[in-house]
Amino acid sequence: GQNIDQPTEMTATEGAIVQINCTYQTSGFNGLFWYQQHAGEAPTFLSYNVLDGLEEKGRFSSFLSRSKGYSYLLLKELQMKDSASYLCAVQTGGFKTIFGAGTRLFVKA
Amino acid sequence: IAGITQAPTSQILAAGRRMTLRCTQDMRHNAMYWYRQDLGLGLRLIHYSNTAGTTGKGEVPDGYSVSRANTDDFPLTLASAVPSQTSVYFCASSAAGGDTQYFGPGTRLTVL
Repeated sequence: GQNIDQPTEMTATEGAIVQINCTYQTSGFNGLFWYQQHAGEAPTFLSYNVLDGLEEKGRFSSFLSRSKGYSYLLLKELQMKDSASYLCAVQTGGFKTIFGAGTRLFVKA
Repeated sequence: IAGITQAPTSQILAAGRRMTLRCTQDMRHNAMYWYRQDLGLGLRLIHYSNTAGTTGKGEVPDGYSVSRANTDDFPLTLASAVPSQTSVYFCASSAAGGDTQYFGPGTRLTVL
């Protein structure tokens, strides 16, 4: 079967660093996406990993290990506006992308 | 318009009624998708289209149909709505299958 696991909720402090983990078991793998979704809004693209290693983009970094079926999203210098859900998604092939249920991040002052 | 739009923003519908959710993009993307998002389940693919004139079934297609008459529009139809179809529906598009997807603002549908 297809399965993507992420923690349901996390809480972190403004200015800190938080790591959101994602493990996946899918029938195919063409790449892994992270999306951010604020409450009541549409998901927006954050990052894409197709090869093993770390991709850095400003305050956000994403890591992938294909052999372990594992990824994480690292958020540095947390701001209140980072309070949102973070969705891990695996592109399994063709037009199919499997989304995890998302991790709700609460940033507190 | 710029990007991807959906209509209506929200709708309350009686069970058994027919309903079409509209989706339009102006990015000339080839691929378009319909997802439903339910609490605790994440986004689930209903139907997709890789180019105008072709469509395919996703993970949860039953009770839904789509058409893709042109590049820009991808309507989703519920022929006879049931309460289990109460959800938030997102339309998305990408330049090609597998590329980064851009999502519309969503339609919140309640079936009573």
